[in-house]
Amino acid sequence: DAGVIQSPRHEVTEMGQEVTLRCKPISGHDYLFWYRQTMMRGLELLIYFNNNVPIDDSGMPEDRFSAKMPNASFSTLKIQPSEPRDSAVYFCASSWGGLGEQFFGPGTRLTVL
Amino acid sequence: DQQVKQNSPSLSVQEGRISILNCDYTNSMFDYFLWYKKYPAEGPTFLISISSIKDKNEDGRFTVFLNKSAKHLSLHIVPSQPGDSAVYFCGVGAGSYQLTFGKGTKLSVIP
Repeated sequence: DAGVIQSPRHEVTEMGQEVTLRCKPISGHDYLFWYRQTMMRGLELLIYFNNNVPIDDSGMPEDRFSAKMPNASFSTLKIQPSEPRDSAVYFCASSWGGLGEQFFGPGTRLTVL
Repeated sequence: DQQVKQNSPSLSVQEGRISILNCDYTNSMFDYFLWYKKYPAEGPTFLISISSIKDKNEDGRFTVFLNKSAKHLSLHIVPSQPGDSAVYFCGVGAGSYQLTFGKGTKLSVIP
């Protein structure tokens, strides 16, 4: 199994631009999580899905952030418009059954200039 | 208000000695606890877990201890090896399908 796949691995963009991060979870997993890692706040949960349905998006910082999961093998996290304070590493993780071990992707390092 | 605190941002240990990483939480409703390890430029990987019905769980060189009354858990690595050098995150859950993580502790094992 290839594990959780994220793209791109690095993204550099200018303030105001739209950014789309992509994630392919492990096949058969029914939960998908989006996290953001910063020095100040550590690893924080943004949103999670169960069977492609968003369950809790209370961690999404602002309306500029949106996430979708159109099918079991693909999810996107979009930031529009992006701001310098959005610079962070964004991780996608998936699991089977929710509580328990989550498998993380390698992350996308986002830099907003 | 941090629900999960890892008060030591970094820790240095000599190879072969014991590494002890600590984690404190505030909500007594948390009932599932995990440790993840993260190398640079990689995602966190699961290391070991413990549920609230136990106070200790071992897996090879790694042991997690849970003190529910103190709302404290710790990860012991014995003996420490240079390959253990990484950032360690503790994660806690409360029956829902989401984890809250601490900010991490960077462990450096000196050869």
